[in-house]
Amino acid sequence: GNSVTQMEGPVTLSEEAFLTINCTYTATGYPSLFWYVQYPGEGLQLLLKATKADDKGSNKGFEATYRKETTSFHLEKGSVQVSDSAVYFCALSDQGYKLSFGAGTTVTVRA
Amino acid sequence: DAGVIQSPRHEVTEMGQEVTLRCKPISGHNSLFWYRQTMMRGLELLIYFNNNVPIDDSGMPEDRFSAKMPNASFSTLKIQPSEPRDSAVYFCASSLGPEIGELFFGEGSRLTVL
Repeated sequence: GNSVTQMEGPVTLSEEAFLTINCTYTATGYPSLFWYVQYPGEGLQLLLKATKADDKGSNKGFEATYRKETTSFHLEKGSVQVSDSAVYFCALSDQGYKLSFGAGTTVTVRA
Repeated sequence: DAGVIQSPRHEVTEMGQEVTLRCKPISGHNSLFWYRQTMMRGLELLIYFNNNVPIDDSGMPEDRFSAKMPNASFSTLKIQPSEPRDSAVYFCASSLGPEIGELFFGEGSRLTVL
């Protein structure tokens, strides 16, 4: 079956530090890959996505590249801000509507 | 523009009581999802509707759970009778269609069953 494995948190960083959250996946087909973010007290919202190998998704300074050879979709940001404090979820879909989410990684950025 | 609207935001109830959670999806979205989020199990898809029809309810835990979508602008998730292990945050999400593009989540309903 499909599954997503994310780097365990929590992750605590200082402002302007570099952030990487590792995500690897297992899928039977050719999935689409996503990063969702959940800010405190809110629902999840799509951060970025990639639908085929070597695609790079980017948004709000975050980037992730779909690597088929390593079955990975790591999230990176070069300089984090306090406002980036949130829970980040990696997810995949290869059955149309059904998303498989990772466990989530809590990121805290300190001023 | 209004997003996905869920109510109540918080519900505290006693074991055995009936709980009804409500969701109004984004206008024009044809697909609606109910998810449950717990520390132990993460995010789980409970049920998926397309054009108001339940397509996949394989994630509904047991017969105590039921979901309806009587029209395109309203859905309910009911738990009867509730149990302490049902305590979780329940999210409703909608999207334009069945092919996953972007899911729009509500703010969630936090349920505590005592």
